[in-house]
Amino acid sequence: EDKVVQSPLSLVVHEGDTVTLNCSYEVTNFRSLLWYKQEKKAPTFLFMLTSSGIEKKSGRLSSILDKKELFSILNITATQTGDSAVYLCAVEADFGNEKLTFGTGTRLTIIP
Amino acid sequence: EPEVTQTPSHQVTQMGQEVILRCVPISNHLYFYWYRQILGQKVEFLVSFYNNEISEKSEIFDDQFSVERPDGSNFTLKIRSTKLEDSAMYFCASSLRTGGYNEQFFGPGTRLTVL
Repeated sequence: EDKVVQSPLSLVVHEGDTVTLNCSYEVTNFRSLLWYKQEKKAPTFLFMLTSSGIEKKSGRLSSILDKKELFSILNITATQTGDSAVYLCAVEADFGNEKLTFGTGTRLTIIP
Repeated sequence: EPEVTQTPSHQVTQMGQEVILRCVPISNHLYFYWYRQILGQKVEFLVSFYNNEISEKSEIFDDQFSVERPDGSNFTLKIRSTKLEDSAMYFCASSLRTGGYNEQFFGPGTRLTVL
């Protein structure tokens, strides 16, 4: 069974700090890893990392994938109160399996 | 920017009643999904749908559940006889699978409360 583990479960930091969120996975025939931000309701897509794209960056957010050690990190620099959310990591297995398997998420709280 | 929409945002029903949750995926997307999230728990896959048929389903998606794409825009999830444990947030998602990669975009969800 595919497995995604995120750490820490929750994190409280002050505005301006840098945070690193972790995601490790066990999946047969890995295809891609996705990061989502979940505020009140819908998970909002952030990044997709694959064998051909192991590093992504968008503004203050960046992510890397280590396919050998089976983990990914999501970095947020110069955090703002608007970054407060649950960050979800999900993996997709090979092409025949279309489902995403999610971790429990990391709840990030930014204190002004 | 195109987005997935869902209605209603909140549905309250009595145990044993049928409910239909509605979704309008992003218009040029071809793959459609339902997930659920019980309060405080992980997002869980229910079913995927492509070319007017189910392509994959989880153990959760038993005979009480069905999906349909009744026209060119809507995608529905029906629960025939709701149980208390069906109370959850239900998310619809869609993807285009460009180049084979499955970037799924989620709707805002329907919160289902079964009394």
